[in-house]
Amino acid sequence: EVQVVQSGAEVKKPGESLRISCKGSGYSFTNYWIGWVRQMPGKGLEWMGTIWMGSGSPGDSDTRYSPSFQGQVTISGDKSVSTVYLQWSSLRASDTAMYYCARHKYSTSADDAFGVWGQGTMVTVSS
Amino acid sequence: DIQMTQSPSSLSASVGDRVTLTCRASQGISNSLAWYQQKPGKVPKLLIYAASTLQSGVPSRFSGSGSGTDFTLTISSLQPEDVATYYCQKYNSAPLTFGGGTKVEIK
Repeated sequence: EVQVVQSGAEVKKPGESLRISCKGSGYSFTNYWIGWVRQMPGKGLEWMGTIWMGSGSPGDSDTRYSPSFQGQVTISGDKSVSTVYLQWSSLRASDTAMYYCARHKYSTSADDAFGVWGQGTMVTVSS
Repeated sequence: DIQMTQSPSSLSASVGDRVTLTCRASQGISNSLAWYQQKPGKVPKLLIYAASTLQSGVPSRFSGSGSGTDFTLTISSLQPEDVATYYCQKYNSAPLTFGGGTKVEIK
């Protein structure tokens, strides 16, 4: 079964760092782009960015960010464990949201719909 | 960047009604448009891609149309299980922007 499984809910304080994860299984991980989507409480979906973990050398990857999130988060991955990450260096209360990872529908397609979604990771930032 | 605008923001209709949701792109995006359904408290689900292609397993009462800047999602006969918020997303090029959503309720 093709799936992407996310890490569990997090409660953090402002200023703390955080990395959440998304593990792909049931398909060739290095053939598909995976993206991150934010949903703030009671609000709509926001595309944050996507990453492709190429099948070549360890540094062979490509990442695209929304202008709204560029510099605010870091998207990375580790193909050896079929996992991508979303990372913050200094959290703010406004980062409180549900974060979804989702795999593109078609292999190697950078510009594509999200065909497989993770279950979501709730991040709460509060003092 | 291209903006995606959905209308209406919410609607209420009776079971069995034909419902039409609209998504408009600020510039042409060919047919690179997807529709998602998000039921309350649930994960979004892909309904339609390439503007009009039904994702496997999606009921045939859902259909999509359009190209360029104007797109529609139609539910031919609204069912109670269709209560959800529907989002469009353009994917011709990054950023892969979502529309603001249309909330569908039963009257």
